[in-house]
Amino acid sequence: SAVISQKPSRDICQRGTSLTIQCQVDSQVTMMFWYRQQPGQSLTLIATANQGSEATYESGFVIDKFPISRPNLTFSTLTVSNMSPEDSSIYLCSVVTGVRGYTFGSGTRLTVV
Amino acid sequence: LAKTTQPISMDSYEGQEVNITCSHNNIATNDYITWYQQFPSQGPRFIIQGYKTKVTNEVASLFIPADRKSSTLSLPRVSLSDTAVYYCLVVEVPSQNTDKLIFGTGTRLQVFP
Repeated sequence: SAVISQKPSRDICQRGTSLTIQCQVDSQVTMMFWYRQQPGQSLTLIATANQGSEATYESGFVIDKFPISRPNLTFSTLTVSNMSPEDSSIYLCSVVTGVRGYTFGSGTRLTVV
Repeated sequence: LAKTTQPISMDSYEGQEVNITCSHNNIATNDYITWYQQFPSQGPRFIIQGYKTKVTNEVASLFIPADRKSSTLSLPRVSLSDTAVYYCLVVEVPSQNTDKLIFGTGTRLQVFP
């Protein structure tokens, strides 16, 4: 299965600032997915990132708040813009790896103060 | 996407068999049932997947009745390290690996000594 390197693993940020999270995969993948997991909650899909096209956002998430880049088949970034304490969560990237299985990064734990 | 329903939490003791049942009444003909495990501070990890009847691997067994409206994840002889959140998901057959995983609430399994 694929190996995902996600950076940073954690960060504490001031409100009003932005943070860019990087996701690097050790193999080429068509689709990359970004999730948010709020404390004690399940995962919520933010968007699907396809190389060479605009990301597709789920209901409740917009590009201005969570811009995504997908410059090639092994890399993607998610930016959390103009942060507020409500954005404090774990952000995870994921890729399809093999027959119906998905691999997840270890996540970025974001705290906004 | 078919919605899944599973118990919020379960308790067990080391050495016992644990069965977690998931309901997916609106599962479509081409849908698969997939289970993931998530430890604290880690991304979810694929456990097992099936379409019908029984599937077994080195970690767990998955039982799916003929009507496929529910499934049961069976963990034999659990240990303390099996304490985690277990997610049941229904995954649509993609045209080109464009599935997106939609997570439900998950079942928080606590194993006691």
